[in-house]
Amino acid sequence: SAVISQKPSRDICQRGTSLTIQCQVDSQVTMMFWYRQQPGQSLTLIATANQGSEATYESGFVIDKFPISRPNLTFSTLTVSNMSPEDSSIYLCSVDYRGGLNTEAFFGQGTRLTVV
Amino acid sequence: ELKVEQNPLFLSMQEGKNYTIYCNYSTTSDRLYWYRQDPGKSLESLFVLLSNGAVKQEGRLMASLDTKARLSTLHITAAVHDLSATYFCAVEDRSNYKLTFGKGTLLTVNP
Repeated sequence: SAVISQKPSRDICQRGTSLTIQCQVDSQVTMMFWYRQQPGQSLTLIATANQGSEATYESGFVIDKFPISRPNLTFSTLTVSNMSPEDSSIYLCSVDYRGGLNTEAFFGQGTRLTVV
Repeated sequence: ELKVEQNPLFLSMQEGKNYTIYCNYSTTSDRLYWYRQDPGKSLESLFVLLSNGAVKQEGRLMASLDTKARLSTLHITAAVHDLSATYFCAVEDRSNYKLTFGKGTLLTVNP
């Protein structure tokens, strides 16, 4: 399995500021993803973090608002830029871990963001 | 585009009763997940279902997958209060490994 460390676990931020969330995996993984869960909602994929190239964003999400870095196969960051209260959500990092015959998605503990 | 429909969205049960949560999806997939989420917490992986006819059981929860019908079920047997949580199914797109989640089922088990 893969162990994912996500930081910070929670934060309260002022509107107009930016927050960078870190995701560290204990194994090299090809696929890393960032999801958002708005209050009372399900999870929605923001983007796929590609190692060595730009992230691939889903419809409704743009790089200027959610810049993503993926410098190597074990680490990624998601920045929530120019925050507004509507960005208050849980942000989760996920990896698709392939170990032998098994492949499974694993999630970090999430970052609970409150924008005031 | 992969679509995932989960129902019911809300489920209030009495302790000791049985019930089933359904997860339908729109396109072929190799992998379906069931997750549990407690308030304010991240996702806890319950089951990964990989093939047609797969059935997995853990305690009072049993999950099954019918890939031909594109249907998975999560069956709850003799519910207890500790099972109160939100349950999500998620289906993997076989082309890019992205997960599409159902809207979730908020389960409340009453004494």
